[in-house]
This record gives sequence, structure tokens and C-alpha cells, in this order.
Amino acid sequence: AQTVTQSQPEMSVQEAETVTLSCTYDTSESDYYLFWYKQPPSRQMILVIRQEAYKQQNATENRFSVNFQKAAKSFSLKISDSQLGDAAMYFCACGAGSYQLTFGKGTKLSVIP
Amino acid sequence: DTGVSQDPRHKITKRGQNVTFRCDPISEHNRLYWYRQTLGQGPEFLTYFQNEAQLEKSRLLSDRFSAERPKGSFSTLEIQRTEQGDSAMYLCASSGGAGDIQYFGAGTRLSVL
Repeated sequence: AQTVTQSQPEMSVQEAETVTLSCTYDTSESDYYLFWYKQPPSRQMILVIRQEAYKQQNATENRFSVNFQKAAKSFSLKISDSQLGDAAMYFCACGAGSYQLTFGKGTKLSVIP
Repeated sequence: DTGVSQDPRHKITKRGQNVTFRCDPISEHNRLYWYRQTLGQGPEFLTYFQNEAQLEKSRLLSDRFSAERPKGSFSTLEIQRTEQGDSAMYLCASSGGAGDIQYFGAGTRLSVL
């Protein structure tokens, strides 16, 4: 079984600035994947970024990057040059075994113009 | 490819009634997942299919819940004798294989009065 903890219920960032969302996880699996999903208000969840646990290199997707600290079981998301469209709920998730995902409770990100 | 589609988007029902939701996954995906999301929480895993076989069920899936995926294509989730506690967003996701990205539908929001 996995557990995922997001300790920041809400965050805010000024447009064009950088923000980091925190996530810690726990799993007994040696082979697992970590994900950040974005859920805009009343819209469907979309993948932001994916990290394979066996890869040491941090994943990057344009303005989004992660800081994956395997020993500390930490998986934070950094959003650079924040845009108004980045405002959403962000969920951290862990998948292992059958690859069902275990999600955290989410962080609501507000972007201030 | 139109992505994962779910029907209906909203369902209002009276306590004690039966409801059925449908999910059409991305056509080439062999894995299909159902999750439940309540207000202020991340999605929680309910069950998953590989092709037509239901391989895993969460303890959240009481006897009143049943899911099918005939012919390994679309899936249905039925809730019998609905209770107010069943009010939630029911999300469907599909993926091409273990560890692959799960693509989510827009969800069906159930309100039990």
C-alpha cells in the first residue's frame, strides 16, 4: 500500500514567479512511479509530469520540473514563470503493483495577476 | 482519439434508487480504472480492469457497487440502493499498460438526495 501526503492545502504565487508544491510519499514497493496531476475547476484531471522511481534524473516538462529525493521519499513540483492558467488543484500520486494510483489530498494553487 | 468519455456528467437521484454510469476509454487502452473523489479530497481507487477481467477491488467498493467491462471496451459502474454518502465525483481513467500514464475522463458527479 502507498500513502501520499501533501502538506500545503493552499498556495499562491504572483504571475511570472516560481512556486514549489510539496509532496511526500511512502511505499514498500521497489518499482513505482510518481505523478503530478492538475485539476482545473470543473474540468478533468490532466497529467503534468511523471517520474520513474528507478531514474535518478529529475523529470522536466517545459515550465514544470520535479525535485525527486528517493531516500527522503519526497517529490516536489516546481512551476516556473507561473501563468494564470496554472491556477488549479494539484494532486501528487504514486503508482505501484497493479498501478492503481494513490493520491494526496491536493494543493489549491492560486495565481495572482 | 477523443480521450476518455463519461456519461452522464451529472446525476441527481433519490436515496434508495439505483444508478449506472458509463465510461468509454481511449480505444487502444487495455486498462481501465474507476476512482471516487469527494469534496476536498484526492481521488480514491475503487476498481480496475485489464481487458474484460476485473483484477482488483478496493474495500471502498461495497456490495452495493458493481462494475463490468464486457468485451474489454466500455465499462459501467452501478450503485444499488444509493445512500447520501455515495454523493461524489466518479472518475474513470484508462492506460495502455502498467506504469503508463492514466488518462482521466471528466467524471460523473452524483448527488443523492
